[in-house]
Amino acid sequence: QQQVKQSPQSLIVQKGGISIINCAYENTAFDYFPWYQQFPGKGPALLIAIRPDVSEKKEGRFTISFNKSAKQFSLHIMDSQPGDSATYFCAANTGGFKTIFGAGTRLFVKA
Amino acid sequence: NAGVTQTPKFRILKIGQSMTLQCAQDMNHNYMYWYRQDPGMGLKLIYYSVGAGITDKGEVPNGYNVSRSTTEDFPLRLELAAPSQTSVYFCASSYSARENTEAFFGQGTRLTVV
Repeated sequence: QQQVKQSPQSLIVQKGGISIINCAYENTAFDYFPWYQQFPGKGPALLIAIRPDVSEKKEGRFTISFNKSAKQFSLHIMDSQPGDSATYFCAANTGGFKTIFGAGTRLFVKA
Repeated sequence: NAGVTQTPKFRILKIGQSMTLQCAQDMNHNYMYWYRQDPGMGLKLIYYSVGAGITDKGEVPNGYNVSRSTTEDFPLRLELAAPSQTSVYFCASSYSARENTEAFFGQGTRLTVV
């Protein structure tokens, strides 16, 4: 019940295309859903986050879509660029100290 | 402003050896965390601290110990290293618990136990 399931494991997208990464959860106590971006050799960095009272949040080319009834949320990267190539983690948090991370999606954007 | 600094970046240990992974932050954050990241897996919380002198276990604390004598430093101790502890270790810090997912991460320590 504490898991966050993330798919796909890896994703290859053409430059200019849309990258879509999906996550699902079961614990309805989760109330904060961040996405982290990690480049090789670096630590994860917060990319964008959403709370369940909002169905969509957009920051530049990055959009989170949230479906509370389905307990699913997804990251869309519009106009994907080679510089977006990284590993993306979704996560969920109940406001406490323990954040649950998805397994990660390795994105490669082909030039 | 260095953020979160971890040392060393890489280390190879023999089974049964011990070592300390260092973590320091200069953002005056009260909350600090240690995670491990295994291939194909998300980050798992090992230990966390809410302030100097206060630490608590996360999801996977076995085989590790921590201390927090100052706000800045949060070292992670591995006693009797085992191959199962081969992983990439990340230290993180945040201003508060409510924003703990907006944590700042160090660059990681890649540990191999042989």
